[in-house]
This record gives sequence, C-alpha cells and structure tokens, in this order.
Amino acid sequence: DTAVSQTPKYLVTQMGNDKSIKCEQNLGHDTMYWYKQDSKKFLKIMFSYNNKELIINETVPNRFSPKSPDKAHLNLHINSLELGDSAVYFCASSSGLEETQYFGPGTRLLVL
Amino acid sequence: GQQLNQSPQSMFIQEGEDVSMNCTSSSIFNTWLWYKQEPGEGPVLLIALYKAGELTSNGRLTAQFGITRKDSFLNISASIPSDVGIYFCAGHGGAGHLIFGKGTKLSVKP
Repeated sequence: DTAVSQTPKYLVTQMGNDKSIKCEQNLGHDTMYWYKQDSKKFLKIMFSYNNKELIINETVPNRFSPKSPDKAHLNLHINSLELGDSAVYFCASSSGLEETQYFGPGTRLLVL
Repeated sequence: GQQLNQSPQSMFIQEGEDVSMNCTSSSIFNTWLWYKQEPGEGPVLLIALYKAGELTSNGRLTAQFGITRKDSFLNISASIPSDVGIYFCAGHGGAGHLIFGKGTKLSVKP
C-alpha cells in the first residue's frame, strides 16, 4: 500500500565509498524528486525528474547522480562519499510539476 | 533565490491550546502547502492552498493563502499530544519543486 517507498531506511558507511538509495512510487505519477534534509531539518531540492527526464539539478555536486529507469523509480547514486553528505534524503513524487508532492519515509545517511 | 520565512521556530504549549504559525515570502507563490513531519518519517501533506484569499480547513487545522500571495498561516485548534512534530510551509518554485520554510517545531504538554 505504500505510496512512495525508499530503501534503505538507514545507511552507515565510510568516507570515500559509493552508495545508492532507491525510490519507488506506485501512484502513477510522472514527476519524482530528491530532497536533502540537513541536521537543522532544512529541506532542499536536489533533483527533479519528469517522465524520466532531468528537469532540475540544484547546485548538487556531480558526485550525486540520479537515475530513472522508468517513471515509477528514481534512484540516487553517490560517489566518493564525504562527511558533509550525512543527512536524511527524501524522495517525493507528484502527478505534474506544479502538483502536490508526496514524500517517502526518508533514508538516513551517516558517513563516518 | 526564493525564500520562505516561517515563524515561530518552536512552540511549547499546553494540551487544549490553539496554535498559530505563519510563513512569509518576498516573492509571489502560486500555491502554498503545509506539511507535518513526525520523528523518523517523511513530510505528510496537511493542507494545500491554490487561490489567493483561500481559507481551507482539515479537521482542527485551518490554513489561509494570503491575498498578496506572499504569505500563509496555519492554525491548529484545541491541540492534542499527537499534534507534536515539525510543521513546514512550502511553495512551488519556478520549476515545480517545493521551497520549504525552516519549520515550526511544536511540543504539546499533556
């Protein structure tokens, strides 16, 4: 029944490693997003995909690479992880660019 | 870039009290959204506002889209312990993504 799901929920890894976070939505939405929430709970857009095409890339280091194999999935791959990448990453989806967004439960990334 | 100023940053209230929080912006937004985030969870949509001046209720929650399209408020009446969480206002940026306020952390004392 979960509308927007993310895996894993927790991710602890060493600096320099490469990791991926997966997101799936079963709402039939065309648009998916990745947001980053820092330690002060501030939420900021990272990427937006519409029909599998990248719409927004908000000054995110190119170590972060989103991949959308189909409209229901938007995965986030991170190369050469740094301490500052520690945060909660949320996936979201909407039926269109200006429509209401629904969020996943988040992936808590801790880089040691 | 576009920014949302949300206040207050935190609130400590007694169960049964009413709560009010607001967001302002220096630029116009076409929609205003209010989300609630509980610990360990993602933001959950509470109310969406699409027209200037619109006043919308969802149970004990009431939100309004300001006439100038640069502000919105959220009221919670007769607060209960499960209202605890962080409340975020958000508006759609130019490319459809959401711009969030910094959140209002609500604590309710039984």
